[in-house]
Amino acid sequence: QVQLQQSGPGLVKPSQTLSLTCTISGDSVSSNSAAWNWIRQSPSRGLEWLGRTYYRSKWYNDYAPSVKSRVTVNPDTSKNQFSLQLNSVTPEDTAIYYCSRSVDDMGFDSWGQGTLVTVSS
Amino acid sequence: DIQMTQSPSSLSASVGDRVTITCRSSQTLNNYLNWYQQKPGKAPKLLIYAASTLQSGVPSRFSGSGSGTDFTLTISSLQPEDFATYYCQQHYTTPCSFGQGTKLEIK
Repeated sequence: QVQLQQSGPGLVKPSQTLSLTCTISGDSVSSNSAAWNWIRQSPSRGLEWLGRTYYRSKWYNDYAPSVKSRVTVNPDTSKNQFSLQLNSVTPEDTAIYYCSRSVDDMGFDSWGQGTLVTVSS
Repeated sequence: DIQMTQSPSSLSASVGDRVTITCRSSQTLNNYLNWYQQKPGKAPKLLIYAASTLQSGVPSRFSGSGSGTDFTLTISSLQPEDFATYYCQQHYTTPCSFGQGTKLEIK
């Protein structure tokens, strides 16, 4: 059974970088059939997919256009983790952030516990 | 980006009722449509993928149907644990996108 454990700060100052990590157990970040995603949820924006990383003989990334200039999702194979970095945050980035696994065409079948990140000085 | 519109936004029903939630997309999805259930303070839970395939462990009272741009989630006989918010999600194109949610409340 796949488990995803999120870690990272819950408070970030405006203009700084939001950084979160998701530790995987029960699967591998280098899986050839999974993708590793970050999704956020806020009252104003609902559920919003931010980006993903996945391995298919080499590493790939996809990002949402709304955050593409500010976001990076990276795998860490040595720790079986993947991370989210969101630069130049504003209060509009305040949300619950989730990491999630998607497998082939099956949707997001495993989720982290969620991290409420507040952007405030 | 593909826009997903759910209806209704909220719904009141009683235990034992049959309930249907509708999801409409702004373009055809080739059945790349999933349904999730979310309870307060929890992450969403995958219920149905590929429009009509029940995720492992999900009770059979949940079912999905539809094609093209119009999809439905049906709960055949509501149980107390089913009162939650439900979301549809398309992954036919990147970025994937979610509906705004349907909150199912106890009447």
